[in-house]
Amino acid sequence: DGGITQSPKYLFRKEGQNVTLSCEQNLNHDAMYWYRQDPGQGLRLIYYSQIVNDFQKGDIAEGYSVSREKKESFPLTVTSAQKNPTAFYLCASRQGVTDTQYFGPGTRLTVL
Amino acid sequence: DQQVKQNSPSLSVQEGRISILNCDYTNSMFDYFLWYKKYPAEGPTFLISISSIKDKNEDGRFTVFLNKSAKHLSLHIVPSQPGDSAVYFCAAYSGTYKYIFGTGTRLKVLA
Repeated sequence: DGGITQSPKYLFRKEGQNVTLSCEQNLNHDAMYWYRQDPGQGLRLIYYSQIVNDFQKGDIAEGYSVSREKKESFPLTVTSAQKNPTAFYLCASRQGVTDTQYFGPGTRLTVL
Repeated sequence: DQQVKQNSPSLSVQEGRISILNCDYTNSMFDYFLWYKKYPAEGPTFLISISSIKDKNEDGRFTVFLNKSAKHLSLHIVPSQPGDSAVYFCAAYSGTYKYIFGTGTRLKVLA
C-alpha cells in the first residue's frame, strides 16, 4: 500500500527537550512538507523540501529543523527554542503531475 | 494577510440536502485549488481539485465551482450524508511548491 506514515501518533515530552517526528512516504513523491495545526486554525507551513538534500523555511520555521537525506524521509525536529510546541503536526507530500498534496495521519505533540 | 479565506466557521445541513462550502482568495496567481476533508486527530483527506482553466469539476457527490473573476470557489455536496460531517479546508496553489490553506469550515450533517 502506498502512503505517508507518521510516527508516533501521540508524543509527550518535557519542556526543554528536543523531539523528532518521523515522516515516511513510499509514493515516490519529490516534494514533502511539514505543517502545524492549532485548534480553530488552518494549516501553517513549517518547512518544505522539493528534492533530496534541499529544504526551505515556511511561514513558521523558528524553533524547528528538518533534514532530507532520503527521498522517502523528511523528519522534523522540534527544538527547545520553539516557544509553544504543543500542536498537531502534519506531514504531506506532493504528486508532481497533478500538483495534489497528500497528508499523513498526523502526530499530536504535547509538551508538559 | 490571509490569502485564502473561509468566512463560515461552521455549517449545519439536513441529511439529503445540499451542502455548499465557500472559499475566497485574493491572489490571482493561484492556478490550482483543492478541497480537503478532515476528521479530528487525523490527517486531511484529499477530496477534489480544480485547475484555473476550468470552472467546474465533478466527482460523484462532490462538485467544485470556480469563479475566477470573483476569486471565489465553492464545494457542493449532494446529497449530504452524516458521514460528511467533518472540517473542510480549501487550499490554493500557485506552482511555487507552496500551498495556502483556509481556516476551515466545520460541516455538520443532521440525520
